[in-house]
Amino acid sequence: EAQVTQNPRYLITVTGKKLTVTCSQNMNHEYMSWYRQDPGLGLRQIYYSMNVEVTDKGDVPEGYKVSRKEKRNFPLILESPSPNQTSLYFCASSLLHSNQPQHFGDGTRLSIL
Amino acid sequence: EDQVTQSPEALRLQEGESSSLNCSYTVSGLRGLFWYRQDPGKGPEFLFTLYSAGEEKEKERLKATLTKKESFLHITAPKPEDSATYLCAASGGNTDKLIFGTGTRLQVFP
Repeated sequence: EAQVTQNPRYLITVTGKKLTVTCSQNMNHEYMSWYRQDPGLGLRQIYYSMNVEVTDKGDVPEGYKVSRKEKRNFPLILESPSPNQTSLYFCASSLLHSNQPQHFGDGTRLSIL
Repeated sequence: EDQVTQSPEALRLQEGESSSLNCSYTVSGLRGLFWYRQDPGKGPEFLFTLYSAGEEKEKERLKATLTKKESFLHITAPKPEDSATYLCAASGGNTDKLIFGTGTRLQVFP
């Protein structure tokens, strides 16, 4: 089954403790991206990647890092999380570009105390 | 600045009462306009892509249209199972970003 898998689905942690949210897709997609979703602000793109070793900032990249060492994986790294990064995070992928349908994971709800 | 604005924020319809959701965009060099459906606790699910003004796409009770400034999602004779948040997104400009609107929360009651 074609899917985007995120882990963990839920995480409660404390300020400053480094964490990684993993994202994996099994569709051989080139384009992958991370979004955060907050009430009243909608989905905002954090980072995107058009291919292995190619990443670019979205609209809200501050406080986040990503890497794309393999085509199927695109982890989101919070090196020193803060409470304002408490949010619902989605990973997505598409065949080649942003102008093609995105396949989304089921989300990771992150709470930083 | 590239922007996508959706209206209304929320819409309550009686079953069978047709209506339209609006998505206005200011994106230079639009490459694609997308509609997604999002159910509570789930990731967005793709509905339609529109690439050029005048284009229309249909799926069951939903029909999406595109002009040079906005897109509409028309819902004909909705059913309670159409209740969800509908998201609009645009791709364009000189980057490969995707910009989302804040969504319209649709409730259809029997």
